[in-house]
Amino acid sequence: SYELTQPPSVSVSPGQTANITCSGDHLEHKYVSWYQQRPGQSPVVVMFHDYKRPSGIPERFSGSNSGNTATLTISETQAMDEADYYCQAWDTSTVFGAGTKLTVL
Amino acid sequence: EVALVESGGGLVQPGGSLRLSCAASGFTFSSYWMHWVRQVPGKGLVWVSRIDDEGSSSGYADSVKGRFTISRDNAKNTLFLQMNSLRAEDTAVYYCVRQNYGPWDFDYWGRGILVTVSS
Repeated sequence: SYELTQPPSVSVSPGQTANITCSGDHLEHKYVSWYQQRPGQSPVVVMFHDYKRPSGIPERFSGSNSGNTATLTISETQAMDEADYYCQAWDTSTVFGAGTKLTVL
Repeated sequence: EVALVESGGGLVQPGGSLRLSCAASGFTFSSYWMHWVRQVPGKGLVWVSRIDDEGSSSGYADSVKGRFTISRDNAKNTLFLQMNSLRAEDTAVYYCVRQNYGPWDFDYWGRGILVTVSS
């Protein structure tokens, strides 16, 4: 079965840029979405179709997908960005990465 | 405003059954594919099942195939998940989710409902 690999954790200082990666075989040939999940809340989509940002999501969030790696980039990171982030793709079924805990130190 | 509200969760013994419901509002329910996604508290998201907009086609994760059945009532704007032969490993928060462009893109999630399988 298809697998997506994410780093368990990423740390960033306020105001700096955070890059969260998601790796999978030939991932560039698949659409990737990203979800933010704050503690005790439901996931919220922050990026879809690799780089498209839903309405209401700050421009600080951007996405890319090349080769075997998709990346969610959060620039000018704020304390409110601290959350778990999950990537998602589809192979023969919907697949999620294991999630990355973003800590804003 | 789009809303997805799950109900029907709770405590059930191993081997038992439970039926989850998801009441949808704020959009044309019959035009969207829908999914169930679950999450063990403190763990990651796991896709469970999906159903097409008409209710004529469905799919399941291997872990629930043959035990869970997804269905929908478009007249009542409601999604269901019938869960039989429940196991301890089915314990999780279950989310009702709306698909946007494809099964790689979920745009609205319910608040989730906890299912606990324990004796």
